[in-house]
Amino acid sequence: NAGVTQTPKFQVLKTGQSMTLQCAQDMNHNSMYWYRQDPGMGLRLIYYSASEGTTDKGEVPNGYNVSRLNKREFSLRLESAAPSQTSVYFCASSEAGTGATEAFFGQGTRLTVV
Amino acid sequence: AQSVTQLGSHVSVSEGALVLLRCNYSSSVPPYLFWYVQYPNQGLQLLLKYTSAATLVKGINGFEAEFKKSETSFHLTKPSAHMSDAAEYFCAVSGHTGGFKTIFGAGTRLFVKA
Repeated sequence: NAGVTQTPKFQVLKTGQSMTLQCAQDMNHNSMYWYRQDPGMGLRLIYYSASEGTTDKGEVPNGYNVSRLNKREFSLRLESAAPSQTSVYFCASSEAGTGATEAFFGQGTRLTVV
Repeated sequence: AQSVTQLGSHVSVSEGALVLLRCNYSSSVPPYLFWYVQYPNQGLQLLLKYTSAATLVKGINGFEAEFKKSETSFHLTKPSAHMSDAAEYFCAVSGHTGGFKTIFGAGTRLFVKA
Protein backbone atom coordinates (compact mmCIF):
# COMPACT_ATOMS: atom_id res chain seq x y z
CA ASN A 1 0.00 0.00 0.00
CA ALA A 2 1.84 3.08 -1.27
CA GLY A 3 -0.36 5.70 0.45
CA VAL A 4 0.53 9.18 -0.85
CA THR A 5 3.22 9.38 -3.51
CA GLN A 6 4.90 12.62 -4.49
CA THR A 7 7.25 13.26 -7.40
CA PRO A 8 9.89 14.49 -7.68
CA LYS A 9 11.63 14.20 -4.30
CA PHE A 10 14.17 16.93 -5.08
CA GLN A 11 14.21 19.76 -7.60
CA VAL A 12 16.36 22.78 -8.32
CA LEU A 13 14.84 25.54 -10.45
CA LYS A 14 16.12 28.80 -11.76
CA THR A 15 14.10 31.92 -11.05
CA GLY A 16 11.31 32.24 -13.60
CA GLN A 17 11.16 28.57 -14.53
CA SER A 18 7.96 26.61 -14.16
CA MET A 19 7.30 23.14 -12.86
CA THR A 20 4.55 20.84 -11.68
CA LEU A 21 4.67 18.76 -8.50
CA GLN A 22 2.73 15.56 -8.81
CA CYS A 23 0.78 13.80 -6.07
CA ALA A 24 -1.24 10.59 -6.13
CA GLN A 25 -3.02 8.67 -3.39
CA ASP A 26 -4.34 5.13 -3.48
CA MET A 27 -6.56 5.25 -0.37
CA ASN A 28 -9.71 6.40 -2.17
CA HIS A 29 -9.69 9.63 -0.16
CA ASN A 30 -11.97 12.48 -1.15
CA SER A 31 -9.87 15.36 0.12
CA MET A 32 -6.34 16.32 -0.88
CA TYR A 33 -4.04 19.12 0.22
CA TRP A 34 -0.79 20.88 -0.62
CA TYR A 35 1.29 22.34 2.21
CA ARG A 36 4.65 24.03 2.32
CA GLN A 37 6.98 23.65 5.29
CA ASP A 38 9.43 26.36 6.22
CA PRO A 39 11.66 26.47 9.33
CA GLY A 40 9.87 27.90 12.34
CA MET A 41 6.58 28.27 10.48
CA GLY A 42 5.12 24.78 10.59
CA LEU A 43 3.03 23.68 7.66
CA ARG A 44 1.05 26.26 5.76
CA LEU A 45 -1.80 25.28 3.50
CA ILE A 46 -1.38 26.36 -0.12
CA TYR A 47 -4.46 24.83 -1.76
CA TYR A 48 -6.86 22.04 -0.99
CA SER A 49 -9.47 20.01 -2.78
CA ALA A 50 -12.37 18.89 -0.62
CA SER A 51 -13.59 16.53 -3.33
CA GLU A 52 -12.99 15.67 -6.95
CA GLY A 53 -13.78 18.66 -9.13
CA THR A 54 -13.31 21.32 -6.46
CA THR A 55 -10.31 23.32 -5.33
CA ASP A 56 -9.94 26.17 -2.85
CA LYS A 57 -7.22 28.52 -1.72
CA GLY A 58 -5.46 28.02 1.57
CA GLU A 59 -3.32 30.43 3.56
CA VAL A 60 -0.55 31.02 0.99
CA PRO A 61 -1.89 30.46 -2.56
CA ASN A 62 -0.07 33.27 -4.37
CA GLY A 63 2.29 32.03 -7.08
CA TYR A 64 0.70 28.57 -7.25
CA ASN A 65 -2.03 26.80 -9.18
CA VAL A 66 -3.52 23.37 -8.67
CA SER A 67 -5.39 20.77 -10.63
CA ARG A 68 -7.47 17.94 -9.23
CA LEU A 69 -7.05 15.66 -12.19
CA ASN A 70 -9.21 12.87 -10.79
CA LYS A 71 -9.94 11.41 -7.40
CA ARG A 72 -6.41 10.04 -7.07
CA GLU A 73 -4.27 12.90 -8.35
CA PHE A 74 -3.72 16.49 -7.24
CA SER A 75 -0.94 18.51 -8.84
CA LEU A 76 0.68 21.79 -7.82
CA ARG A 77 2.12 24.12 -10.44
CA LEU A 78 4.59 26.94 -10.03
CA GLU A 79 4.21 29.13 -13.11
CA SER A 80 7.22 31.38 -12.52
CA ALA A 81 9.37 30.19 -9.65
CA ALA A 82 10.79 32.70 -7.17
CA PRO A 83 13.45 32.22 -4.46
CA SER A 84 10.70 32.74 -1.85
CA GLN A 85 9.18 29.48 -3.03
CA THR A 86 12.20 27.53 -1.84
CA SER A 87 10.63 25.12 0.61
CA VAL A 88 9.63 21.56 1.30
CA TYR A 89 6.26 20.75 -0.21
CA PHE A 90 3.95 18.09 1.18
CA CYS A 91 0.90 16.58 -0.37
CA ALA A 92 -1.67 15.01 1.94
CA SER A 93 -5.02 13.32 1.69
CA SER A 94 -7.85 12.53 4.07
CA GLU A 95 -10.93 10.37 3.95
CA ALA A 96 -13.44 13.20 3.90
CA GLY A 97 -13.54 16.87 4.64
CA THR A 98 -15.10 16.47 8.05
CA GLY A 99 -12.16 17.71 10.05
CA ALA A 100 -12.25 14.67 12.30
CA THR A 101 -10.17 12.46 10.07
CA GLU A 102 -6.43 12.60 10.02
CA ALA A 103 -4.34 13.49 7.01
CA PHE A 104 -1.89 11.10 5.40
CA PHE A 105 1.25 12.70 4.06
CA GLY A 106 3.65 12.03 1.23
CA GLN A 107 7.41 12.06 1.75
CA GLY A 108 7.77 15.62 0.51
CA THR A 109 9.45 17.47 -2.35
CA ARG A 110 12.45 19.59 -1.49
CA LEU A 111 12.46 22.53 -3.91
CA THR A 112 15.26 25.04 -4.25
CA VAL A 113 14.85 28.11 -6.45
CA VAL A 114 18.09 29.87 -7.32
CA ALA B 1 -10.35 31.81 12.77
CA GLN B 2 -8.56 28.82 14.17
CA SER B 3 -4.96 28.87 15.28
CA VAL B 4 -2.45 26.78 17.16
CA THR B 5 0.44 27.90 19.34
CA GLN B 6 3.18 25.52 20.34
CA LEU B 7 5.25 26.77 23.24
CA GLY B 8 8.94 26.15 22.70
CA SER B 9 10.50 25.53 19.32
CA HIS B 10 13.03 23.18 20.93
CA VAL B 11 12.71 20.88 23.94
CA SER B 12 15.56 18.78 25.32
CA VAL B 13 15.08 15.92 27.78
CA SER B 14 17.22 13.10 29.09
CA GLU B 15 16.45 9.53 28.16
CA GLY B 16 13.93 8.18 30.66
CA ALA B 17 12.62 11.61 31.63
CA LEU B 18 9.11 12.96 31.17
CA VAL B 19 8.31 14.48 27.81
CA LEU B 20 5.92 17.46 27.82
CA LEU B 21 5.19 19.36 24.61
CA ARG B 22 2.76 22.23 24.94
CA CYS B 23 -0.01 23.20 22.57
CA ASN B 24 -2.71 25.84 22.92
CA TYR B 25 -5.42 26.35 20.37
CA SER B 26 -7.95 28.96 19.42
CA SER B 27 -11.23 27.97 17.86
CA SER B 28 -14.72 29.44 17.80
CA VAL B 29 -16.24 26.00 17.33
CA PRO B 30 -15.56 22.66 19.02
CA PRO B 31 -12.21 21.67 17.59
CA TYR B 32 -10.69 18.49 16.37
CA LEU B 33 -7.11 18.33 17.61
CA PHE B 34 -4.17 16.30 16.40
CA TRP B 35 -0.55 15.62 17.18
CA TYR B 36 1.72 14.56 14.32
CA VAL B 37 5.35 13.48 14.40
CA GLN B 38 7.92 14.06 11.68
CA TYR B 39 11.16 12.11 11.54
CA PRO B 40 14.05 13.52 9.49
CA ASN B 41 13.42 13.63 5.75
CA GLN B 42 9.98 12.10 6.11
CA GLY B 43 6.40 13.22 5.93
CA LEU B 44 4.19 13.68 8.98
CA GLN B 45 2.44 10.77 10.62
CA LEU B 46 -0.40 10.82 13.12
CA LEU B 47 0.41 10.27 16.80
CA LEU B 48 -3.08 10.81 18.20
CA LYS B 49 -6.27 12.79 17.75
CA TYR B 50 -9.08 14.26 19.82
CA THR B 51 -12.55 14.23 18.28
CA SER B 52 -14.78 15.08 21.28
CA ALA B 53 -14.92 11.64 22.85
CA ALA B 54 -12.64 11.01 25.85
CA THR B 55 -10.59 14.02 26.92
CA LEU B 56 -7.51 11.89 27.59
CA VAL B 57 -6.33 10.49 24.30
CA LYS B 58 -3.78 7.73 23.97
CA GLY B 59 -1.64 7.45 20.88
CA ILE B 60 1.15 5.40 19.44
CA ASN B 61 4.60 4.91 20.98
CA GLY B 62 3.35 5.61 24.52
CA PHE B 63 2.28 9.21 23.90
CA GLU B 64 -0.92 10.70 25.24
CA ALA B 65 -2.58 14.10 25.30
CA GLU B 66 -5.30 15.67 27.40
CA PHE B 67 -7.89 18.05 26.02
CA LYS B 68 -8.62 20.85 28.51
CA LYS B 69 -11.32 23.14 27.22
CA SER B 70 -11.00 25.63 30.09
CA GLU B 71 -7.32 26.11 29.29
CA THR B 72 -7.71 25.68 25.51
CA SER B 73 -4.80 23.28 25.69
CA PHE B 74 -3.87 19.91 24.24
CA HIS B 75 -0.44 19.13 25.66
CA LEU B 76 1.42 15.99 24.59
CA THR B 77 3.14 13.82 27.20
CA LYS B 78 5.13 10.63 27.48
CA PRO B 79 6.26 9.31 30.88
CA SER B 80 9.69 8.13 29.78
CA ALA B 81 11.59 9.44 26.76
CA HIS B 82 13.42 7.12 24.43
CA MET B 83 16.18 8.04 22.01
CA SER B 84 13.89 7.08 19.15
CA ASP B 85 11.45 9.85 20.19
CA ALA B 86 13.80 12.51 18.84
CA ALA B 87 11.81 14.17 16.07
CA GLU B 88 9.69 17.22 15.33
CA TYR B 89 6.18 17.30 16.70
CA PHE B 90 3.28 19.30 15.32
CA CYS B 91 0.00 20.17 16.97
CA ALA B 92 -2.89 20.80 14.58
CA VAL B 93 -6.51 21.92 14.76
CA SER B 94 -9.44 21.63 12.41
CA GLY B 95 -13.10 22.34 12.81
CA HIS B 96 -16.44 22.83 11.24
CA THR B 97 -15.58 26.15 9.64
CA GLY B 98 -13.32 27.01 6.77
CA GLY B 99 -13.94 23.81 4.87
CA PHE B 100 -12.38 21.69 7.60
CA LYS B 101 -8.91 22.89 6.79
CA THR B 102 -6.26 21.65 9.19
CA ILE B 103 -4.08 24.38 10.70
CA PHE B 104 -0.67 23.39 12.03
CA GLY B 105 1.47 24.87 14.74
CA ALA B 106 5.07 25.88 14.10
CA GLY B 107 6.40 22.63 15.51
CA THR B 108 8.56 21.61 18.47
CA ARG B 109 11.78 19.75 17.93
CA LEU B 110 12.43 17.20 20.65
CA PHE B 111 16.01 16.28 21.52
CA VAL B 112 16.69 13.25 23.72
CA LYS B 113 20.03 13.08 25.53
CA ALA B 114 21.63 9.79 26.51
